[in-house]
Amino acid sequence: GDSVTQMEGPVTLSEEAFLTINCTYTATGYPSLFWYVQYPGEGLQLLLKATKADDKGSNKGFEATYRKETTSFHLEKGSVQVSDSAVYFCALRRGGGADGLTFGKGTHLIIQP
Amino acid sequence: DAGVIQSPRHEVTEMGQEVTLRCKPISGHNSLFWYRQTMMRGLELLIYFNNNVPIDDSGMPEDRFSAKMPNASFSTLKIQPSEPRDSAVYFCASSLSTGGRNNSPLHFGNGTRLTVT
Repeated sequence: GDSVTQMEGPVTLSEEAFLTINCTYTATGYPSLFWYVQYPGEGLQLLLKATKADDKGSNKGFEATYRKETTSFHLEKGSVQVSDSAVYFCALRRGGGADGLTFGKGTHLIIQP
Repeated sequence: DAGVIQSPRHEVTEMGQEVTLRCKPISGHNSLFWYRQTMMRGLELLIYFNNNVPIDDSGMPEDRFSAKMPNASFSTLKIQPSEPRDSAVYFCASSLSTGGRNNSPLHFGNGTRLTVT
């Protein structure tokens, strides 16, 4: 079945550091890929998405590129802020139909001032 | 846009009691999803509906769990009887599914934190 694997957390960085959160997936066909962010006490919010190979999703300084050859969708940001502290989830949605998202286990990011 | 609305935000109940969680999806969305989030298992898809019809309930853990969607603007997730291991955050999400290759994101509510003592 489909699966998403994320790097284990927590990830602790200093403000203005470069961020990479690794994500790889296993799926049949050509899934769409997503990054969601969850702040404490809140639901998941869509951060960015990519729907086909070599697409780059970007939002709020975050970027991720759909790499079909390595089945990866790593999240990056050039300079993190304290307000970026949250849990980040990588997810895929299988092409076709109305299936739900398959999520990774989440990566807790802590940014220290 | 009001977003996905869930109620209650918090629910504390005793083992054996019936629990009903409620969800109002975003107007115009035709797919609705119930997820459960725990530290141990992360996010698990319990059930989803398309055009008010349950499509896949294979994620529902036991017969104690049931979900309904009587119309396009309302869904419930019921646990009867509840047990301490049901304690979790339950999320409802909705999306617009247009058929074919579906790349629409899911929009999540703020969740219901359930504690069963």
